[in-house]
Amino acid sequence: DIQMTQSPSTLSASAGDRVTITCRASQSVSRWLAWYQQKPGRSPKLLIYKASSLGSGVPSRFSGSGSGTEFTLTISSLQPDDFATFYCQQYNTYSYTFGQGTKLEIK
Amino acid sequence: EVQLVESGGGLVQPGGSLTLSCAASGFTFSSYEMHWVRQAPGKGLLWVSRVSDDGSTTHYADSVRGRFTVSRDNAKSTVFLQMNSLRAEDTAVYFCARPREAGNAELNYWGQGTLVTVSS
Repeated sequence: DIQMTQSPSTLSASAGDRVTITCRASQSVSRWLAWYQQKPGRSPKLLIYKASSLGSGVPSRFSGSGSGTEFTLTISSLQPDDFATFYCQQYNTYSYTFGQGTKLEIK
Repeated sequence: EVQLVESGGGLVQPGGSLTLSCAASGFTFSSYEMHWVRQAPGKGLLWVSRVSDDGSTTHYADSVRGRFTVSRDNAKSTVFLQMNSLRAEDTAVYFCARPREAGNAELNYWGQGTLVTVSS
């Protein structure tokens, strides 16, 4: 199965900061990569699909890039509502693996 | 409005069985594959299973293959997850999810989840 590794596991930042989260795949997933945001006690929310396409209603401060085995999620200017845990997920194969998550905390 | 409502969670003993249901509404259910994803307490997301739009094809995570069975009833717009030989490590909130578009697999719609606790 394809393994997905996110870094960092925890990220401390302040409102207004630009932050980047990285997701690496153990083998190529082409551009079949999604990013989700999850807040405590809530269901995940789709942010980015096909590596760089913005989900419906998702603010433009979120962006995704990459292909193959390395991907990034960037938030251009953190807002208070953005503090949450973020997950990448590959859907190139029928194993749909998630990364272990990156918790974005308020500094 | 797309809605997914899971049910059937609860407390079960190790080795026991449980069947989860996910009732869908607000879209043409038979046009979409459906997925189950779980999250153990305080842990990350783990993809569990997928069933194709017509129910003919299924896929499972290695950790549940041979113990869990996914199925669907398109007439009732419901997807099921039958879980057998349950273990303590299966304790989690189980979400059902639908892709953004038919023929795609990015999960845009999620239920609220149902908690399964495996304990004696």
